[in-house]
Amino acid sequence: KAGVTQTPRYLIKTRGQQVTLSCSPISGHRSVSWYQQTPGQGLQFLFEYFSETQRNKGNFPGRFSGRQFSNSRSEMNVSTLELGDSALYLCASSETATNEKLFFGSGTQLSVL
Amino acid sequence: DQQVKQNSPSLSVQEGRISILNCDYTNSMFDYFLWYKKYPAEGPTFLISISSIKDKNEDGRFTVFLNKSAKHLSLHIVPSQPGDSAVYFCAATDTNAGKSTFGDGTTLTVKP
Repeated sequence: KAGVTQTPRYLIKTRGQQVTLSCSPISGHRSVSWYQQTPGQGLQFLFEYFSETQRNKGNFPGRFSGRQFSNSRSEMNVSTLELGDSALYLCASSETATNEKLFFGSGTQLSVL
Repeated sequence: DQQVKQNSPSLSVQEGRISILNCDYTNSMFDYFLWYKKYPAEGPTFLISISSIKDKNEDGRFTVFLNKSAKHLSLHIVPSQPGDSAVYFCAATDTNAGKSTFGDGTTLTVKP
């Protein structure tokens, strides 16, 4: 089975722009979670989708949004980018709705200049 | 309010010795606990887990201990190897909500 695939791998944007990140989960996995990793801040939970429904949301501003499609693929969008949005964005999928075990992609490294 | 805390940002041990990584949590709704390992430029990978109904789980050189009354989790690596050098994340899951919360990570360095 192919693992979790995230595209693009690297992204450079300027302040005020918007960005869309893509995640393809492992085949058969219906749950997708997104995390933000910044140095010294660990993995901060953004949101989680299961069968196209957002079930959980972290403490991020409304500029961060996401969605999940019927094939379980997910996208994350950040509008009006700020310098502090520079981070590694990780997507993870799980085969169960309880999300005991997450399988992560390699992430998208976003740099905002 | 950080619900999962790894108080040691870094740990350095000699090859062959024991590495002990610690994690504390506050939310009583967490019922499943995991350790993930992360190398630079890669996503975290699952290492070992434990359900809240157990107090110990062993997998080769890795053992996870859970003390529910103290809300404390630890990972023991014996013997430590240079290839174990990585960032280790503790994670706690509320399986009813389907949400996992991660600590800030501990960077383990195993010296040859």
